[in-house]
Amino acid sequence: DIQMTQSPSSVSASVGDRVTINCRASQGISSWLAWYQQKPGKVPKLLISAASSLQSGVPSRFSGSGSGTDFTLTISSLQPEDFATYYCQQANSFPLTFGGGTQVEIK
Amino acid sequence: QVTLKESGPTLVKPTQTLTLTCTFSGFSLSTTGVGVGWIRQPPGKVLEWLAVIYWNDNKFYTPSLKSRLTITKDTSENQVVLRMTNMDPVDTATYYCGYQKALRANWFDLWGQGTLVTVSS
Repeated sequence: DIQMTQSPSSVSASVGDRVTINCRASQGISSWLAWYQQKPGKVPKLLISAASSLQSGVPSRFSGSGSGTDFTLTISSLQPEDFATYYCQQANSFPLTFGGGTQVEIK
Repeated sequence: QVTLKESGPTLVKPTQTLTLTCTFSGFSLSTTGVGVGWIRQPPGKVLEWLAVIYWNDNKFYTPSLKSRLTITKDTSENQVVLRMTNMDPVDTATYYCGYQKALRANWFDLWGQGTLVTVSS
């Protein structure tokens, strides 16, 4: 199985801050990576697919980068509605696996 | 507009079999590349992928639960069913179904609202 390791597990930031979340795969997955946002009590929402492809309707302050084993989700200017938990998921091979999540909290 | 909705029991007893149904609209499971999968999330914990079924009836399961899981589809009814045998309290979780819209794109473009299943005697 491919293990997905996210860091940090939580980050405390202020509105307007730039936030970076990392995701590392235990083996190369090319660009077969997705990022999801989950707000408390809500359903996960796909933000980015194929490592860097922003989904329709997702604000441009979100961006994804990386390939192989190391990936990054960046929020360029944190907004109040961005406080949530973010998960990466590798889509390269079965079993599909998720990272442990990164909780973005208000500072 | 794509929608998915999970249904099934909210409470099951240990050792019982859980049957969950995902009823969807806005797409067809006979379209090449399309898949529907199941993911669960125990309270306060992380997401865990369980199974997925594709338009061509290919099925994949998470290895740790493979012996307990069965996923099937009814294309005419726009439904996917997940069965999990021998339920245990550790299986208490919100169960989601999710839609994969393209070949090889094994992420979930849209999720159902989820259904909380509690395992308790």
